Amino acid sequence: DAGVIQSPRHEVTEMGQEVTLRCKPISGHNSLFWYRQTMMRGLELLIYFNNNVPIDDSGMPEDRFSAKMPNASFSTLKIQPSEPRDSAVYFCASTLQQGNEQFFGPGTRLTVL
Amino acid sequence: EDKVVQSPLSLVVHEGDTVTLNCSYEVTNFRSLLWYKQEKKAPTFLFMLTSSGIEKKSGRLSSILDKKELFSILNITATQTGDSAVYLCAVLNNAGNMLTFGGGTRLMVKP
Repeated sequence: DAGVIQSPRHEVTEMGQEVTLRCKPISGHNSLFWYRQTMMRGLELLIYFNNNVPIDDSGMPEDRFSAKMPNASFSTLKIQPSEPRDSAVYFCASTLQQGNEQFFGPGTRLTVL
Repeated sequence: EDKVVQSPLSLVVHEGDTVTLNCSYEVTNFRSLLWYKQEKKAPTFLFMLTSSGIEKKSGRLSSILDKKELFSILNITATQTGDSAVYLCAVLNNAGNMLTFGGGTRLMVKP
């Protein structure tokens, strides 16, 4: 089992640029979660999908952030335009069904200069 | 607002010591409490606790939940340098779809 796959693993960009982070959940898992981790705020849930449908995006910081899940095996998190304060590690996680433990991907370390 | 608080923030011990990590929570709709270990990359799952007073054990690690006092502890006996990591506690809501994480305890085990 390949686990949750994220790409890129590292991204360095300049303020104002668009950033797209990608996630492939574990095959068969029907819930997908995007988290952001910083030293100051720890791990925060941004948005989660159940059966490809966004259920709760109340954690999304502002309109510059958007997420999609066009099919069961792929999701994107987009930041446009990016700002230095968006610098963080972004994790994607998936779970077989709600109530089970979440399996995390390796994360994307984003640095916005 | 749901809150999960872990203590201590950090801990330095020597190999062979026993450590106890604490997690207290205030959540409106509690379902389960989970422990994760995070080294340099993604959090990896350790335990899920749903019932009070039932210890879960995996090798040198064990954990227990007290739903009356709203806390959990994670014990590590005979610590090894490979146990050095950030240990995260998280609470799962009743619907089973929202994890609220604590700030973590950073454990360093010296040889």
